[in-house]
Amino acid sequence: EDQVTQSPEALRLQEGESSSLNCSYTVSGLRGLFWYRQDPGKGPEFLFTLYSAGEEKEKERLKATLTKKESFLHITAPKPEDSATYLCAVQGSTGTASKLTFGTGTRLQVTL
Amino acid sequence: NAGVTQTPKFQVLKTGQSMTLQCAQDMNHEYMSWYRQDPGMGLRLIHYSVGAGITDQGEVPNGYNVSRSTTEDFPLRLLSAAPSQTSVYFCASRPRGTGGSPLHFGNGTRLTVT
Repeated sequence: EDQVTQSPEALRLQEGESSSLNCSYTVSGLRGLFWYRQDPGKGPEFLFTLYSAGEEKEKERLKATLTKKESFLHITAPKPEDSATYLCAVQGSTGTASKLTFGTGTRLQVTL
Repeated sequence: NAGVTQTPKFQVLKTGQSMTLQCAQDMNHEYMSWYRQDPGMGLRLIHYSVGAGITDQGEVPNGYNVSRSTTEDFPLRLLSAAPSQTSVYFCASRPRGTGGSPLHFGNGTRLTVT
């Protein structure tokens, strides 16, 4: 069974204080690892897909990396508008077709 | 493009009542799915569809029914609401094909069952 564990549960940063969010996973045959951002009262918004170990993707202040066991979402010089819950999900090659297994998320708060 | 549209945004039901959560997408996506989100738990798959006329069960299907008569619409029916179905429900879609395409989510329906 695919599993995703995210840490920490919550993170409070000051503006400009860089940090990383962790997503540890176990999956049979990784088809993709996804990062989403979720604002209160909204649906998850897609950020990145990573397909294989060693892959990296960047978007503004965010950079996602992938190893065989975990993924990191690095946030460089965050701003208050980066405050949100960040979700990690994996898609494996076995079991229910196209099922994503989600972690419980990291709640990020960036203060001035 | 509106993307994925869910209605209603909020709903309160009494135990035993039935209702339908609506989901529509205008991206011509073949794959559509329903998830529920509960505090302390990740999003969990309820039902999904890979195309019109085809549906299948996900991880937590009990108490829910779906049908897919068109590419655009994928309604979720609660047959007899129970307090355990209090949750936030998300509809999501993506293009058909091999895995790895990201899901596009609606903004959810917050359901309370008393």
